[in-house]
Amino acid sequence: AQSVTQLGSHVSVSEGALVLLRCNYSSSVPPYLFWYVQYPNQGLQLLLKYTSAATLVKGINGFEAEFKKSETSFHLTKPSAHMSDAAEYFCAVKEAGTASKLTFGTGTRLQVTL
Amino acid sequence: NAGVTQTPKFRILKIGQSMTLQCTQDMNHNYMYWYRQDPGMGLKLIYYSVGAGITDKGEVPNGYNVSRSTTEDFPLRLELAAPSQTSVYFCATKPGGAPYEQYFGPGTRLTVT
Repeated sequence: AQSVTQLGSHVSVSEGALVLLRCNYSSSVPPYLFWYVQYPNQGLQLLLKYTSAATLVKGINGFEAEFKKSETSFHLTKPSAHMSDAAEYFCAVKEAGTASKLTFGTGTRLQVTL
Repeated sequence: NAGVTQTPKFRILKIGQSMTLQCTQDMNHNYMYWYRQDPGMGLKLIYYSVGAGITDKGEVPNGYNVSRSTTEDFPLRLELAAPSQTSVYFCATKPGGAPYEQYFGPGTRLTVT
């Protein structure tokens, strides 16, 4: 079965600093990987996805993620944090099978300080 | 397009009461999913459906039931509510085949006391 581990339940960065949110996956098949963002009291919104087309994936709001098969990682980065990036971020992997179920990590809450 | 809508936004139930959480989509997506979100636990899949008339259990189905009589609607039924069902519930949809990302509704916050 596929699984996702997000290291660090809380990450705090200063405005303008690099954002790095970590995600490691376990998958028995070539993975499809996703990053979602959840702003307070809202649903989840897709940030970006990896579908094997390119290892460096660019998403919305200046975020990007790099798929590294050798490290089974899909870390999310943004060069310069903005106050509006404060949210919870979830990494997810598509499960094998026809129902396209997703397995989510436990989430990382990003705090951005002045 | 409204996308995925969920009602109600908030609800407080007493132990033992029942209720139905509504989920409606106007994107003509075949696949629909119900998740619950608890602090520090991520999202757990309760039930899912790959099309009208077809439903299946996810990771945490106990205490819940679903039906899928139309493409648009996927209600989640709670029978005999328990405090352990206090959570935020999200409905999500996906078209058949690729791409595989899911589209989420705004959620229902349920408290059982």
